[in-house]
Amino acid sequence: SQQGEEDPQALSIQEGENATMNCSYKTSINNLQWYRQNSGRGLVHLILIRSNEREKHSGRLRVTLDTSKKSSSLLITASRAADTASYFCATDGQGAQKLVFGQGTRLTINP
Amino acid sequence: GAVVSQHPSWVICKSGTSVKIECRSLDFQATTMFWYRQFPKQSLMLMATSNEGSKATYEQGVEKDKFLINHASLTLSTLTVTSAHPEDSSFYICSAHLAGVPDTQYFGPGTRLTVL
Repeated sequence: SQQGEEDPQALSIQEGENATMNCSYKTSINNLQWYRQNSGRGLVHLILIRSNEREKHSGRLRVTLDTSKKSSSLLITASRAADTASYFCATDGQGAQKLVFGQGTRLTINP
Repeated sequence: GAVVSQHPSWVICKSGTSVKIECRSLDFQATTMFWYRQFPKQSLMLMATSNEGSKATYEQGVEKDKFLINHASLTLSTLTVTSAHPEDSSFYICSAHLAGVPDTQYFGPGTRLTVL
């Protein structure tokens, strides 16, 4: 399978805490993206980081990319109940604008 | 921002029937659209790449005669699940690539298919 792996598969934390999710992939990439999916809904694009970038911020989100280890992390700071969702990383390693998704992390924020 | 719609949002059908799902880019042209399938609590798996005016490209293991894709215009791609069976029950999501702009894919809200 070309799919990457994410860990943890599930994460449950208290509101206000930080949540960190990790993603590993298998092929060379031009960029890596993170998406959020609420239960039974479509995907919401969160952030894109290019292969020549190491870190990127967007609001409470911080993404890092280590191409030597073929891994990325997504940090959500000061979590809120509304952050409860599944989070997926996606890479473009197969070319032709194709995206390969990781297995996802199910994040639960407890009020 | 760019919007992609899917219709229907959910459908229930009997085994053996065919179901058509539409994916539309509402305010932009998409020469390429992608179809994904997502089983419960699993990730998205790319099924096929839909190219306007040409045949779709299917991923390994996806039956092209079962999942018919038609990309007749720059704003519409359709996925038809033929002779649906219960194991085809899944969440089908499309995405549309903004023509001429790399690394831009906009996702539809998905279609929940339940085959009885």
